[in-house]
Amino acid sequence: GQQLNQSPQSMFIQEGEDVSMNCTSSSIFNTWLWYKQDPGEGPVLLIALYKAGELTSNGRLTAQFGITRKDSFLNISASIPSDVGIYFCAGITSGTYKYIFGTGTRLKVLA
Amino acid sequence: ETGVTQTPRHLVMGMTNKKSLKCEQHLGHNAMYWYKQSAKKPLELMFVYNFKEQTENNSVPSRFSPECPNSSHLFLHLHTLQPEDSALYLCASSQEMASGNTIYFGEGSWLTVV
Repeated sequence: GQQLNQSPQSMFIQEGEDVSMNCTSSSIFNTWLWYKQDPGEGPVLLIALYKAGELTSNGRLTAQFGITRKDSFLNISASIPSDVGIYFCAGITSGTYKYIFGTGTRLKVLA
Repeated sequence: ETGVTQTPRHLVMGMTNKKSLKCEQHLGHNAMYWYKQSAKKPLELMFVYNFKEQTENNSVPSRFSPECPNSSHLFLHLHTLQPEDSALYLCASSQEMASGNTIYFGEGSWLTVV
């Protein structure tokens, strides 16, 4: 079946540092979504990507849809304590409605 | 506020109880979903409804019974659950049930089965 590998699994960084995480797929995706989930809450959509090569920003967050359509990355610049949480990627192939989710990157920011 | 509201946020139930989770979306979407989130596992799709019609039952045990009375409301009826069913249950919606449609999640219902 389709698999989506997300890395790293967890990160501890200092406040102010930049963060990068990525997802790779065994299949070609035509949509990538990035979510953040705070403890005890549901995932909140951060960025949606719809075509290969697309680079989209949302404040300090930037995400890119890989050229091969099998990967995507999310960067967070100048991290702050409220960036703490779990970041998920999700991808979907053409002709289906089932998103595949990554296992998440757990981010902790040290003040 | 994502436009998808779930109640209750927390539920503790015994294995012989019958309870229900409720979801309401205010986004005008036509597709609604139930996902299960367990520790250290990817989100698992349980059920999909499109225009109130169930289009997916992802091999979910019959002790979970969904109901979709209209495009804005979705229920998950729970009966004779097992402790391993304890998890975060997430409701979600999208404009259409098709690739390229963004999924918006509710806050989740934490279920503990004792």
